[in-house]
Order: sequence, then C-alpha cells, then structure tokens
Amino acid sequence: KNEVEQSPQNLTAQEGEFITINCSYSVGISALHWLQQHPGGGIVSLFMLSSGKKKHGRLIATINIQEKHSSLHITASHPRDSAVYICAVPTYNNNDMRFGAGTRLTVKP
Amino acid sequence: DSGVTQTPKHLITATGQRVTLRCSPRSGDLSVYWYQQSLDQGLQFLIQYYNGEERAKGNILERFSAQQFPDLHSELNLSSLELGDSALYFCASSRRTYTGTPNEQFFGPGTRLTVL
Repeated sequence: KNEVEQSPQNLTAQEGEFITINCSYSVGISALHWLQQHPGGGIVSLFMLSSGKKKHGRLIATINIQEKHSSLHITASHPRDSAVYICAVPTYNNNDMRFGAGTRLTVKP
Repeated sequence: DSGVTQTPKHLITATGQRVTLRCSPRSGDLSVYWYQQSLDQGLQFLIQYYNGEERAKGNILERFSAQQFPDLHSELNLSSLELGDSALYFCASSRRTYTGTPNEQFFGPGTRLTVL
C-alpha cells in the first residue's frame, strides 16, 4: 500500500462544476502540500496546511489530521484548471517528502 | 515565477555520460530539495541540503550526488547515465529545514533530461 494515495486518478468535468480530489496518507506528518502541475511540466505549490481549511480564490483545501485525509476542492471549475494535482506529505520529523501519484483533471468548456 | 531557477531547461545526452544540473534557490532560502519525476515512478524525493549540509536522503542512486555551495546554489551530478535516468528533475527551496515545522517549498521549472 502506498503511503500517500490519491483519488480519483483521472477526472473529467464540465466547466462550472465543483471538483473534489482526495488524498489519504499513512505517514505521520506535520503538514500536507497540494501541488499543481501544468502540461508544460512546471509545479506550483497551491497550499500547505497542517489543520482545518485554507482557501485561495476558487480553491479550497481541507485536512483531517485524525483521519489522515485531505481534500482539494475547486469551485466553478474552468478549463485553465486542467492540470495534474499532487498531494505530498513529509515523513514526521524527517525532511523526506512522499508524493501521491497525482490526479489528472480535465475541465471541458 | 517561484523565484527558483534551474539550468539547463533541457539536456540530451548519451548513456554512460555525466551531467550536472544547477539550481538557484529563492533569495533568503537556505534549504534546497531535489526531486526526480519519471513517467513510471512519479515524483520522488532525492536529497535535501540546508545551508551547505546534507539533511535528508531519499531514493538517490549511488551514481548521483549533490552539493550546496556557500552562495546556496546547488548542483545535482548524474553519472554513468542510463536510459532509465531520463526524467524531469526539479529542485525546490524553502526558508528552513523541515524539522517538524511546516515549511512551504517553492519549485523551480525543472530540467528535462533525455538519455539516448
């Protein structure tokens, strides 16, 4: 079993739809990262969160430390949101980062 | 623009060769991380440096080595290259090392290595 599991692997949505991507992890962490990778390959850090909820524009990230689960939500999705979304967790008290396999999101106009 | 720069953008070389990838962290960031992203393995952590010292090691092969210089830029050296080393190599930087304190990382644009 992978230490960081994401679902779904692939997601296709119509423009305007509400999107949810899930991440479950088994390693002990102090914070979890959500990353976005566009088709060109560049990686952007979207959120780093250790508790509760964070919001940035149309993106919302939540984390439940007890259940070792995080979700990334995109409201009013847009074709420019099409990308691979990756969750990443550091092992506790360690600088090693473990990555999920990514969720490939395609938003159609 | 994350403020992290990587050179070169693309690198094409032959098996058996040696290459050096370079990373300049954001101004003020002391930690540099190296990651490899291949098609079959996804993103993998290779190694981390903090203020010139190695702090953590991940799935880094013995043929690979890295260092961080006094000006805080870092280099990843890949030698005796094999076809399977073809991948995107990212570096990221952050202000501090990750000893239990949440620490945002900023990624560079990556170097695409193709080994023929």
